[in-house]
Amino acid sequence: GESVGLHLPTLSVQEGDNSIINCAYSNSASDYFIWYKQESGKGPQFIIDIRSNMDKRQGQRVTVLLNKTVKHLSLQIAATQPGDSAVYFCAENMMGGKLIFGQGTELSVKP
Amino acid sequence: SAVISQKPSRDICQRGTSLTIQCQVDSQVTMMFWYRQQPGQSLTLIATANQGSEATYESGFVIDKFPISRPNLTFSTLTVSNMSPEDSSIYLCSVVPGLAGSHNEQFFGPGTRLTVL
Repeated sequence: GESVGLHLPTLSVQEGDNSIINCAYSNSASDYFIWYKQESGKGPQFIIDIRSNMDKRQGQRVTVLLNKTVKHLSLQIAATQPGDSAVYFCAENMMGGKLIFGQGTELSVKP
Repeated sequence: SAVISQKPSRDICQRGTSLTIQCQVDSQVTMMFWYRQQPGQSLTLIATANQGSEATYESGFVIDKFPISRPNLTFSTLTVSNMSPEDSSIYLCSVVPGLAGSHNEQFFGPGTRLTVL
């Protein structure tokens, strides 16, 4: 069946370094993707989205890259801070607004 | 964005009982969804809550177990019926703000953490 998956379940980085979180998706027809951040005890927080007619989108300290050829997404966080520690999910938007979530990557930032 | 609240925020229930979770949005939205997040896992869509009609359930989820109401464009409930310990999860509602199409930002409520003993 269709699925969205992540390459790395955990990522540990030093404060100030850049973080890269990867995600693979399986539905080549997918045209909209979202990254979420989930802190302990909270609901997922929208970070950034990207449509399939783009290959890069930048936000505040975050960049999402989309490679449709290999069906791959990445989230880059610049100058990672302790407050960035959380679980990050990619999600693939299906017809009707339904989201298919990846497995999640736990980002740990060491001071 | 939209401000989404859920009640209760957490509960501990006995097996065989039922719990109704409420989701309230501060503005009218067409699209509202219910997700489940099992411990240490990712999110799985339970159903789309349709205003004025029966919810649309995903494979593996049935109305008898997870009845959903959507009486208007700002409110929905999810009931977890005849609970077992396997139902222990976080239940989350989400919305696409406004009355737009499906390819727009989707926001989540804070979740309801359910423990079934």
